[in-house]
Amino acid sequence: RKEVEQDPGPFNVPEGATVAFNCTYSNSASQSFFWYRQDCRKEPKLLMSVYSSGNEDGRFTAQLNRASQYISLLIRDSKLSDSATYLCVVPGLFGNEKLTFGTGTRLTIIP
Amino acid sequence: SAVISQKPSRDICQRGTSLTIQCQVDSQVTMMFWYRQQPGQSLTLIATANQGSEATYESGFVIDKFPISRPNLTFSTLTVSNMSPEDSSIYLCSVDEGVLNEQFFGPGTRLTVL
Repeated sequence: RKEVEQDPGPFNVPEGATVAFNCTYSNSASQSFFWYRQDCRKEPKLLMSVYSSGNEDGRFTAQLNRASQYISLLIRDSKLSDSATYLCVVPGLFGNEKLTFGTGTRLTIIP
Repeated sequence: SAVISQKPSRDICQRGTSLTIQCQVDSQVTMMFWYRQQPGQSLTLIATANQGSEATYESGFVIDKFPISRPNLTFSTLTVSNMSPEDSSIYLCSVDEGVLNEQFFGPGTRLTVL
């Protein structure tokens, strides 16, 4: 299994819909996980951290399944401004400081 | 979170030359990192910039090609040496600041090598 593997997308979703992305990871010892958002030609920005079973922030929910080694990101009532690439990020094999980035899932919200 | 700036924001360079990228943070941070993001790709860690000691490089990256300085807890530089077109990429610095070791990124330096 790759260190971090994401749905490649692209996802083209109508405005107002719910969309979910999955990400699997190989290091069973990883404790915390992150979802970053990257807009075109911009730096990645932290969207959510996940360290227990899940985390919710407004329209965004991140869930963690340690037994199956996957994390998911759910976006409800999607907005045009949600269009971006979403990066699944996992701590490295040798400590929490190093992060391994997934290849990203590209989301386009259609009016 | 810390405010991170990078200079230059972009540059176009000739093959065989070198470019030094600066990363400035508005507060003292322990961990600073340098990443590369090639066109259409995700981020790849180049090295961890350690204050007061040599940087720690990831597999596939060497000090001769990517020398790094970290003179204090708010500043670091990455030099891309003897550039070739394959070095065309976005170079990003980041700092480790959160309780869960979240990283926050500078705006990036877009490098094009002709």
